[in-house]
Amino acid sequence: DAKTTQPNSMESNEEEPVHLPCNHSTISGTDYIHWYRQLPSQGPEYVIHGLTSNVNNRMASLAIAEDRKSSTLILHRATLRDAAVYYCIPSYSGAGSYQLTFGKGTKLSVIP
Amino acid sequence: KAGVTQTPRYLIKTRGQQVTLSCSPISGHRSVSWYQQTPGQGLQFLFEYFSETQRNKGNFPGRFSGRQFSNSRSEMNVSTLELGDSALYLCASHLGPGGVREQFFGPGTRLTVL
Repeated sequence: DAKTTQPNSMESNEEEPVHLPCNHSTISGTDYIHWYRQLPSQGPEYVIHGLTSNVNNRMASLAIAEDRKSSTLILHRATLRDAAVYYCIPSYSGAGSYQLTFGKGTKLSVIP
Repeated sequence: KAGVTQTPRYLIKTRGQQVTLSCSPISGHRSVSWYQQTPGQGLQFLFEYFSETQRNKGNFPGRFSGRQFSNSRSEMNVSTLELGDSALYLCASHLGPGGVREQFFGPGTRLTVL
């Protein structure tokens, strides 16, 4: 599994954009980059995933570096509900296994 | 549609006992994975099932076992409980093989071993 490096914690003001970085320098060419988040007292929740191109969905945007050694999750307007631990997870599903290897993630605090 | 259901939500056991946890995936989902979450080790993969077959297993002792039924519901069992087994056990479901799949997690079962 590719090793990931994320900041332990970040803070953001409510309604401002948040950029959550992730380094995954050992990622293989077939690994997708997944982001999940875990709100307090809940199970993890899927946020977004991508392979090479930048991706957008209703929750967030994912910007992937051209060399794929890093990516950034972008929350366009942070709300209090976005306070959670965010996990960046490179994962290959081609062999039929969907195991997710979680690191320590980034704890995002949102200030009202 | 209903999300992933895990029962029970909370459980207290004593050392040496065994425990069975249950997970009902989202309707139509055929793959179920189990994870253990502790403050020290974080989220760790236990095992993964698809169509009643274990496809992958994490680095846990043989005291941890699981199975999946024909209706895709899954159970995991921990025998001879140890204090270190106290954790939040999470179940995740997805449709099954066929590309990159979003996984849906349940709320977890909080197991306390005394």
